[in-house]
Amino acid sequence: EAQVTQNPRYLITVTGKKLTVTCSQNMNHEYMSWYRQDPGLGLRQIYYSMNVEVTDKGDVPEGYKVSRKEKRNFPLILESPSPNQTSLYFCASSTPGGGGGETQYFGPGTRLLVL
Amino acid sequence: AQSVAQPEDQVNVAEGNPLTVKCTYSVSGNPYLFWYVQYPNRGLQFLLKYITGDNLVKGSYGFEAEFNKSQTSFHLKKPSALVSDSALYFCAVRDDSSASKIIFGSGTRLSIRP
Repeated sequence: EAQVTQNPRYLITVTGKKLTVTCSQNMNHEYMSWYRQDPGLGLRQIYYSMNVEVTDKGDVPEGYKVSRKEKRNFPLILESPSPNQTSLYFCASSTPGGGGGETQYFGPGTRLLVL
Repeated sequence: AQSVAQPEDQVNVAEGNPLTVKCTYSVSGNPYLFWYVQYPNRGLQFLLKYITGDNLVKGSYGFEAEFNKSQTSFHLKKPSALVSDSALYFCAVRDDSSASKIIFGSGTRLSIRP
């Protein structure tokens, strides 16, 4: 089954304790992105990657890191989490083509609470 | 800069009635427009998209959307609402001058009452 998986689905942590949220897709997609979803703000892009070893900042990259060492994986790293990073996080993947109208496939989400 | 607006936080419709969820956008080039739906505790699912061609786009679950260039709108519609359509709906836009920057609206919660 074609899918994007994220782990963990739920995470409670404390300020300053490094954490990683994993994302993996099995569709051989080149593009991958991370978003955060906050009430009233919709989805905001954190980072995106157009291919292996190619990453770029989205709209809200502060406090986050990513890496793309393999095509299928795109982990999100919070080196020193803070309470304002409490949010619902989504990973998404897509493949180029379609003249820029490529459809994104989303993971199930990771709900993070930073105390 | 590109932007997208969903002016209604919530839309309430009786089952069987037509529904409309509004979306307006602003881009500097030609728009690529999308609608996604989010059911409770799930990720976003693709509904439909407009790239070029026919202004009326048909998508999943009986939804359709009409691209209106003069009004810079891309409203989502369905002729007859179902209770199961209750969910959070997101409009998104990408400028054709940017490869990967897609902007999402703030979302509209659609509630269908029996």
